[in-house]
Amino acid sequence: GAGVSQSPSNKVTEKGKDVELRCDPISGHTALYWYRQSLGQGLEFLIYFQGNSAPDKSGLPSDRFSAERTGGSVSTLTIQRTQQEDSAVYLCASSKGGTPFYEQYFGPGTRLTVT
Amino acid sequence: GESVGLHLPTLSVQEGDNSIINCAYSNSASDYFIWYKQESGKGPQFIIDIRSNMDKRQGQRVTVLLNKTVKHLSLQIAATQPGDSAVYFCAERASGANSKLTFGKGITLSVRP
Repeated sequence: GAGVSQSPSNKVTEKGKDVELRCDPISGHTALYWYRQSLGQGLEFLIYFQGNSAPDKSGLPSDRFSAERTGGSVSTLTIQRTQQEDSAVYLCASSKGGTPFYEQYFGPGTRLTVT
Repeated sequence: GESVGLHLPTLSVQEGDNSIINCAYSNSASDYFIWYKQESGKGPQFIIDIRSNMDKRQGQRVTVLLNKTVKHLSLQIAATQPGDSAVYFCAERASGANSKLTFGKGITLSVRP
């Protein structure tokens, strides 16, 4: 079956511009997660959705970062006024729900480069 | 603070040999562990998970061992193949409704033909 998909796969933007990253979770998965991965580093948690609500936004690094999820499916991560330190791979994952963070399946990621 | 780490940054094995990738964790409250494989340019791929009420779980060519006494997790790959070459991450989750996964930095497995 179809896995988690993300778009775009690559995004190059100028410093100060806003970007939107999209995630389509696995059909039927109620939980959705956003992570950030910098070069050679582990995964940094950003935000978690259960349905359309976000019980945990604790990982968002600043108020320039926001995310929403509508219809219990697609999610958008928005970064406003991008900075060079925002350059990273942004990964989305989904899981069936139940216990949060169990058995997450990841998408291929969006590589963001801020110039 | 709590941390999850890996003993070695790289591991090189001969094709056909068994691989053992080790992971230490420090949070004794962790009750769920998971291994991911990440190939270059791709997202992490779920390999296998284990809960703290088990000490061993087997999948296809992979086995995860959990030693809660010494807070140690390992991933064993049988008959390692070139396609197993990737970065492997362990992650832990503490018990509790609001607990998240904490990932280690990863170890690179390189398979020699």
